[in-house]
Amino acid sequence: QSALTQPASVSGSPGQSITISCTGTSSDVGGYSSVSWYQQHPGKAPKLMIYDVSNRPSGLSNRFSGSKSGNTASLTISGLQAEDEADYYCSSYTSSSTLVFGGGTKLTVL
Amino acid sequence: QVQLVESGGGVVQPGRSLRLSCAASGFTFSDYGMHWVRQAPGKGLEWVAIISYDGSNKYYADSVKGRFTISRANSKNTLYLQMNSLRAEDTAVYYCAKDPSGDGYNVLEYWGQGTLVTVSS
Repeated sequence: QSALTQPASVSGSPGQSITISCTGTSSDVGGYSSVSWYQQHPGKAPKLMIYDVSNRPSGLSNRFSGSKSGNTASLTISGLQAEDEADYYCSSYTSSSTLVFGGGTKLTVL
Repeated sequence: QVQLVESGGGVVQPGRSLRLSCAASGFTFSDYGMHWVRQAPGKGLEWVAIISYDGSNKYYADSVKGRFTISRANSKNTLYLQMNSLRAEDTAVYYCAKDPSGDGYNVLEYWGQGTLVTVSS
């Protein structure tokens, strides 16, 4: 159950787009369409942003989108806004019927 | 609206036990799988366990297998995490989370605010 690999940090200016990657193996990310993304602001509980690789929960901004290619999933945030500054975590279902998270990525809006 | 409220956290000595509770409201608790997730201070999220809607299926992270037990009381709309043989590395905020499926879709749809467990002598 090794953690998925995410960049420790990414940054972008307001209005720009950024992409956060999430790399696993064929036993998790590459083997299932069960990748989710969560946003967490300091001191707050995480919030679901993307599920099943590319689906957004009802009411969530379409500035957030997800994709997957092979063993790597990606979260793209377009039209960056100050309130997007947060930590982002990916997760994936695994062949052991468990869930595994990425190490997290700190997004800084410059 | 969905509400999840964790309780039972606190300071406990290494080797001792603690039971966390998660009170659910705003949805039919007995229809959905539930998870526990933890976050050590300043660290990332770590999935802990999942239980299916009727308690018949349970899965655990390797780091807690054999020490932690997830359970539920559908009549009380409550999820539990029994933590035995606690170690310093179990120190974390523990979150409960609702799954959108009964058997565990492995999506953490709604989260509670968490309860802090500190393992220290």
